[in-house]
Amino acid sequence: DADVTQTPRNRITKTGKRIMLECSQTKGHDRMYWYRQDPGLGLRLIYYSFDVKDINKGEISDGYSVSRQAQAKFSLSLESAIPNQTALYFCATSDRADTQYFGPGTRLTVL
Amino acid sequence: AQSVTQPDIHITVSEGASLELRCNYSYGATPYLFWYVQSPGQGLQLLLKYFSGDTLVQGIKGFEAEFKRSQSSFNLRKPSVHWSDAAEYFCAVGASGTYKYIFGTGTRLKVLA
Repeated sequence: DADVTQTPRNRITKTGKRIMLECSQTKGHDRMYWYRQDPGLGLRLIYYSFDVKDINKGEISDGYSVSRQAQAKFSLSLESAIPNQTALYFCATSDRADTQYFGPGTRLTVL
Repeated sequence: AQSVTQPDIHITVSEGASLELRCNYSYGATPYLFWYVQSPGQGLQLLLKYFSGDTLVQGIKGFEAEFKRSQSSFNLRKPSVHWSDAAEYFCAVGASGTYKYIFGTGTRLKVLA
């Protein structure tokens, strides 16, 4: 079984809709991250969490919110989706050796 | 400002040929350096990392990278490329205790049979 799972894997939604992307991990790591990947831009950090009570904005947090429901779960929400949020979204965890472990990604299309 | 530059967007090599992917960074603190690989439809997988010590780092799948502080570089190499190495490669930099990482824009590798 995968250590970091993301649901859904693909999602098409319409402008203005609220959408939630979910991430679960079985690695027991405290640190979790949400990134978005756009062609030619690499990965950009949206939010990160060092534990359940510690959530921090990344470089592109506008238009997004997160919830750390438990050590193993970290959800990303788009309150009112817009087309330029069309991207590939990755959840990741990291261990104390600073190695990141990525989920398979969620491909989101906002029409 | 902190940044990571991968100057080559695309690289094409023949199977069996050697490979070098370039990565340059700008980082105020002593950097932690990483190379990740992303196969089509997959998440990123760690190839290797450098924290300290020997500047030549061995990774998985026959890859290695060399940290050159004077050149602010961390180039990835492989002596003989296999068709299965076709993927996108990302260099990343972080620092001890920050737990945040800056990724380069990636280099897409194509391997010719």
